[in-house]
Amino acid sequence: AQSVTQLGSHVSVSEGALVLLRCNYSSSVPPYLFWYVQYPNQGLQLLLKYTSAATLVKGINGFEAEFKKSETSFHLTKPSAHMSDAAEYFCAVSIIQGAQKLVFGQGTRLTINP
Amino acid sequence: ETGVTQSPTHLIKTRGQQVTLRCSSQSGHNTVSWYQQALGQGPQFIFQYYREEENGRGNFPPRFSGLQFPNYSSELNVNALELDDSALYLCASSLDPGQGRSPLHFGNGTRLTVT
Repeated sequence: AQSVTQLGSHVSVSEGALVLLRCNYSSSVPPYLFWYVQYPNQGLQLLLKYTSAATLVKGINGFEAEFKKSETSFHLTKPSAHMSDAAEYFCAVSIIQGAQKLVFGQGTRLTINP
Repeated sequence: ETGVTQSPTHLIKTRGQQVTLRCSSQSGHNTVSWYQQALGQGPQFIFQYYREEENGRGNFPPRFSGLQFPNYSSELNVNALELDDSALYLCASSLDPGQGRSPLHFGNGTRLTVT
């Protein structure tokens, strides 16, 4: 079964430091992968998506992710953290079972220290 | 371009009652999905509607039901509410779900509290 695992339920970095949020997937077919961000009391906003084109995907707000098939990973990075990046981040894999459904990881809460 | 809108934003119900949540999809999208997000968890797939037909369902009991209307807006109905139904309910719209590569665009959700 297709699934995602996010390593680290909480990540804390200093403002200006590198952000690295880890996501590993399990899939028997080439996956479609997504990263979403959720701010408090809001829905999910799409950060970026991998749909089998370029392995390095650039998203909004300076985030990017690299698809590595050999490592079954799709880690999210940002070179320099900003206070406004504090939020919950979800990695998801898309599955087709009649419907298209997203299977989400448990989420990683990112805290930015001033 | 109008995004996904959900109503109401918050709702408090008593165990055993019934509730209807509403969603207007993003302009041009023909597919609506509903997700349940319990506190501290990732969203869980409830079901999806494509062109007014349910085309897939997650591991939720039949007391969770839905509708999609000709304008692609949607309703989620939950009967016989239980305490564990307390969660954030997210609606998402997308285009042509068949290949799986379409991103889902989410609304801000309805926070349901069952007491």
